[in-house]
Amino acid sequence: DAGVTQSPTHLIKTRGQQVTLRCSPISGHKSVSWYQQVLGQGPQFIFQYYEKEERGRGNFPDRFSARQFPNYSSELNVNALLLGDSALYLCASSLVRVATGELFFGEGSRLTVL
Amino acid sequence: ELKVEQNPLFLSMQEGKNYTIYCNYSTTSDRLYWYRQDPGKSLESLFVLLSNGAVKQEGRLMASLDTKARLSTLHITAAVHDLSATYFCAVDVSMNSGGSNYKLTFGKGTLLTVNP
Repeated sequence: DAGVTQSPTHLIKTRGQQVTLRCSPISGHKSVSWYQQVLGQGPQFIFQYYEKEERGRGNFPDRFSARQFPNYSSELNVNALLLGDSALYLCASSLVRVATGELFFGEGSRLTVL
Repeated sequence: ELKVEQNPLFLSMQEGKNYTIYCNYSTTSDRLYWYRQDPGKSLESLFVLLSNGAVKQEGRLMASLDTKARLSTLHITAAVHDLSATYFCAVDVSMNSGGSNYKLTFGKGTLLTVNP
């Protein structure tokens, strides 16, 4: 069975540009979460979506937005990119919105902002 | 705000030795997770600890949870080179008063290097 898939795997942008990252959860999983991992740090929670609704948001500026589609895939958008947005963006899926079990992470999208 | 602290942040050990990584957290939670991350890779789930006193073992790794002390440990027995990676603990925290939406708060990670 396919795991969590993310695209693109690597991308380079310049300051001020916009980026869209995509995630397909494991088949049957209805909850998708996004995390940002800056080099040398643990992942930080950005968003959680369940049944196409935002269920939680971390301490990130409004430049970050996301949505979930009827097929449960998700997009993360970041506008007006800053150098500090350079990071590995991880998508995770789970069966239910309550994380009483494992979160399954994708391979991530590595964003470099120049 | 929840704080999750791992100790040590860097660990260099010889093959065959034993060691323990500690994970302290600052708020009540009954769920704690351990993940492994290889360089440039994503997170691999190692253990899910869902109650006080939970102990799980897989190969040379054993994890335990003491919710009263707000402490989890990851014990490494007879380390081998293949265990070299960064290990993260993460605590499950409710995002709302109804307790129906959760997020994971991660520690900074422990970079483990096992030398021959």
